[in-house]
Amino acid sequence: DAGVTQSPTHLIKTRGQQVTLRCSPKSGHDTVSWYQQALGQGPQFIFQYYEEEERQRGNFPDRFSGHQYPNYSSELNVNALLLGDSALYLCASSSLGQPQHFGDGTRLSIL
Amino acid sequence: AQSVAQPEDQVNVAEGNPLTVKCTYSVSGNPYLFWYVQYPNRGLQFLLKYITGDNLVKGSYGFEAEFNKSQTSFHLKKPSALVSDSALYFCAVRDLDRGSTLGRLYFGRGTQLTVWP
Repeated sequence: DAGVTQSPTHLIKTRGQQVTLRCSPKSGHDTVSWYQQALGQGPQFIFQYYEEEERQRGNFPDRFSGHQYPNYSSELNVNALLLGDSALYLCASSSLGQPQHFGDGTRLSIL
Repeated sequence: AQSVAQPEDQVNVAEGNPLTVKCTYSVSGNPYLFWYVQYPNRGLQFLLKYITGDNLVKGSYGFEAEFNKSQTSFHLKKPSALVSDSALYFCAVRDLDRGSTLGRLYFGRGTQLTVWP
């Protein structure tokens, strides 16, 4: 049973570019959450998707957007990249009564 | 607002000794608490959760956590540490009703546990 899978594992971009990160949830999970983990910090909540709609959003600008597809997979899009967007981006999936399970993340580096 | 605090950035313990990683929380309503572990270049791995019931929660790899409502604490413990337990540990609290699939996690800053041989 595959867990949460994220792609790509690493990505290097330059300031001003746009990036799309992808996540496939654990089998049986219908809710996907995205977190940003800066170096030396705990993960910070970006947003959560359920039934293809954004249900909750953390304190992140509109440059961060997402999508959830009918098969529950999800994308995180970041526009106009800033140096401060360099971080590990984690996807977590869950279902009713289950804890959030995390993927190994995408390491995004902005030059 | 929900929050957790991990007062120690680092915990060092000898192999075979008991270990404790501390966490305190602040929530409105009933707490729904978690511990996760992160190994280098990996995501977070679920260890255990507290929903309700017994104050001592048992989890994966021999870890357990003690919920103390009066002290608003949820400390992670293990009776005998292993070198392989060395990792970054995060305490988290979830908002929204535990009966809902929704709800974000609020994480502490993490505690680096080092177990030396």
